[in-house]
Amino acid sequence: NAGVMQNPRHLVRRRGQEARLRCSPMKGHSHVYWYRQLPEEGLKFMVYLQKENIIDESGMPKERFSAEFPKEGPSILRIQQVVRGDSAAYFCASSPGGQESTRGYTFGSGTRLTVV
Amino acid sequence: DAKTTQPTSMDCAEGRAANLPCNHSTISGNEYVYWYRQIHSQGPQYIIHGLKNNETNEMASLIITEDRKSSTLILPHATLRDTAVYYCIVRDRVNSGGSNYKLTFGKGTLLTVNP
Repeated sequence: NAGVMQNPRHLVRRRGQEARLRCSPMKGHSHVYWYRQLPEEGLKFMVYLQKENIIDESGMPKERFSAEFPKEGPSILRIQQVVRGDSAAYFCASSPGGQESTRGYTFGSGTRLTVV
Repeated sequence: DAKTTQPTSMDCAEGRAANLPCNHSTISGNEYVYWYRQIHSQGPQYIIHGLKNNETNEMASLIITEDRKSSTLILPHATLRDTAVYYCIVRDRVNSGGSNYKLTFGKGTLLTVNP
């Protein structure tokens, strides 16, 4: 049973380009969460999605950032017109939602975005 | 904001038990306490969670006080590979209400296991 899969593991973009980060949840999980971790800082919640729905986007920057979790396929975190300050590790987690999961929330290995 | 407070850092000798405390004085009756850890640059790793009773699994034990206002994570025989930031988390209900929750990470405790 594969865990949460994130790709790419490393992504380099020039300023002004678009970055697309993908997250495939664990089998049977329909809830996805995205977090950002700036260098030497803690994990900051960005957005919580269910299939085709955004549940909570209170941590998403108002501009340039968007996220989706379509009916088919992985969840996508999209950053348009990247700037140097977007350089960070982006982690995705998944859960089955609803009542307590016996294993909590499962995290992927992250995507390290570097903007040059 | 995180609902928990933890010491910034702790040291532990290899082979000894590591006891990591956490305060969650505002926890409500049906909220679970989760523990995660993050080894340098890796994704957070689930350790254990509990509601009222003490819990034990292959990684650790979780002791929750009777009033549920605090808990302690115990790593019975710490190894060098247990050096990590340990996060104690009480989930946040999302703004839309219902039964949807998210994890809000605080600063955690940096546990350093020394040889």
